[in-house]
Parts: sequence; structure tokens; C-alpha cells
Amino acid sequence: QQQVKQSPQSLIVQKGGISIINCAYENTAFDYFPWYQQFPGKGPALLIAIRPDVSEKKEGRFTISFNKSAKQFSLHIMDSQPGDSATYFCAATLNSGNTPLVFGKGTRLSVIA
Amino acid sequence: DGGITQSPKYLFRKEGQNVTLSCEQNLNHDAMYWYRQDPGQGLRLIYYSQIVNDFQKGDIAEGYSVSREKKESFPLTVTSAQKNPTAFYLCASRVFGQPQHFGDGTRLSIL
Repeated sequence: QQQVKQSPQSLIVQKGGISIINCAYENTAFDYFPWYQQFPGKGPALLIAIRPDVSEKKEGRFTISFNKSAKQFSLHIMDSQPGDSATYFCAATLNSGNTPLVFGKGTRLSVIA
Repeated sequence: DGGITQSPKYLFRKEGQNVTLSCEQNLNHDAMYWYRQDPGQGLRLIYYSQIVNDFQKGDIAEGYSVSREKKESFPLTVTSAQKNPTAFYLCASRVFGQPQHFGDGTRLSIL
């Protein structure tokens, strides 16, 4: 199966808090797991990505945690800011070739002051 | 400045009409993709093309057609057979081993 399941559908976090979004995949052949951030009226933009040979990747306030045995990965946004309010998509694909990304259904994050 | 240009930003379709959405990239990417975005549905793949003059159907290709005559261009036609075309359409491109880059979309509505 090619599905990627993402939760929660929506998330409200206080400014300065931690936002956590979870994804689970089924295809064990997937070897590239990006997260995209999308603002209204715009296309998704790559935020951070991980390959299965590492369990965690951090870029600034954004961290991906990856659990290969559980086939799960998550995005953590530390010190969440109102400017982080957007829709976040997890995705997965085979990094070899140009195989299309399979996307989760998205999480709408609202960071309130 | 390299990127993906989608036009128009807004498009309206009349009953029984075919409309074509433009996607142009100057990133020299080999592969291009079309996705449809509906609220709460995520991004669903319509068509993709890995090289010029070749393309494959995605999960929801019915009612859509594409062509890939040039590396930099991948237009999508929404035909009259697509009964529910109202959506946000996103074009993306990718080079081998690198992440997909997206354009800023075309919003299609029914008149």
C-alpha cells in the first residue's frame, strides 16, 4: 500500500509551545521523508526531510524524529510562533529516480498568542 | 531566478468547456507533476512525467489530460469529462535525488 497517514487534522498551540505532528507509512521501500509547509494561496515549500539511516534531524526549531521499526515519523516545532501557522504535509517516496511523493492529508496548525 | 510558474492564478470554467492550466519551470528538472488539492484531502497525484514525450497516470487521472513536448513545460487540460473540477491545482518538478519543488498553484472554479 502507498498510503501515508497523518494526524492530527488540526492543532492549536500556544505561542512558545511545542507542536507535534505524526505520520505513519506502509511501504517499507520508502526511503525519503520530507515535510512541507503551505501558507494559504501558496504552493507547499520544503521544510525539512530525513532518510531512514538516521533517527532524528534538526534544523533550527524544526526536528524530524524517525522510527523505522514502527514505520512512523513526526515533526516537532519548538518554541512555536504565530508565523508558523500554516498547513503541514508529511510525504514519502523512493528517493531513487523521480518517483512521485505520496502525501499525508495535512495538518492545519494555528499558533495563538 | 529559478522556479516554477503556474498560470493563471485563478481560472473559471463554463459547463462543457475544456480549460488548460500552464506550468513552466526553468530549473532544468527532468520530472514534472500535477497534483489536485481539496480541503481535507491532501495532495492527490493527477499525472506525472519523468522525461519529455512520456507521462504516466496518477491516482485521479480521469477527466484530465497532459502533454510534455518540452522539458520546461507540462500543461494540464481539465476536460468536460471532469465533473467536479473545482480545486487548487499544483504543479511540481524534481531532479533525480532531490526534493520536489512546487509552483504557487491555480485555483479553478465553475461558473
